[in-house]
Amino acid sequence: AQTVTQSQPEMSVQEAETVTLSCTYDTSENNYYLFWYKQPPSRQMILVIRQEAYKQQNATENRFSVNFQKAAKSFSLKISDSQLGDTAMYFCAFMKPGGGSNYKLTFGKGTLLTVNP
Amino acid sequence: DARVTQTPRHKVTEMGQEVTMRCQPILGHNTVFWYRQTMMQGLELLAYFRNRAPLDDSGMPKDRFSAEMPDATLATLKIQPSEPRDSAVYFCASGLTAYTDTQYFGPGTRLTVL
Repeated sequence: AQTVTQSQPEMSVQEAETVTLSCTYDTSENNYYLFWYKQPPSRQMILVIRQEAYKQQNATENRFSVNFQKAAKSFSLKISDSQLGDTAMYFCAFMKPGGGSNYKLTFGKGTLLTVNP
Repeated sequence: DARVTQTPRHKVTEMGQEVTMRCQPILGHNTVFWYRQTMMQGLELLAYFRNRAPLDDSGMPKDRFSAEMPDATLATLKIQPSEPRDSAVYFCASGLTAYTDTQYFGPGTRLTVL
């Protein structure tokens, strides 16, 4: 079974600065997907960024980028130019493509990020 | 803009009562997931449907929970009878079979069982 670990329960950053959230995972699979989801106080789960394991290039979405280290099974999220609206719980998630129950997302416990003015 | 909708957003009920939560997936999506979020367990999958057929409900307590898709635009999750330990936020998510790498979440139903 796959596991996802987020070792930082809480983090804080000053507005406009850069912060990195850590995530490690454990799997024996070679092909899989990794995600970062954001959950603001509204509780809505919002997809931030995704990475296909077969791709060497790190995914980027505007101010959000990842550092994907496949050999180390590490998938960190970097938020540049932090904004107050980035305050949220961030979840790292793993999915192995395929049939049946493989489609399920396995989530980490989350990191609560607070952006301070 | 397309999004998953869930009703109700909040539900408070007494132990022993039946609870029904509803989800409307994004039009055209043929995979639907039910997740439960609690402080202790985090986010966990309860059930998963594809083309309205249940493919995996191993995470769901069978004695009191049931999940169905009466049609392609409606998924339901029922709890009967409800217990205080069922208090949680229940999320529905949908996706496309051809693009199952991304699941789009609804806003969730916060359930409180007294």
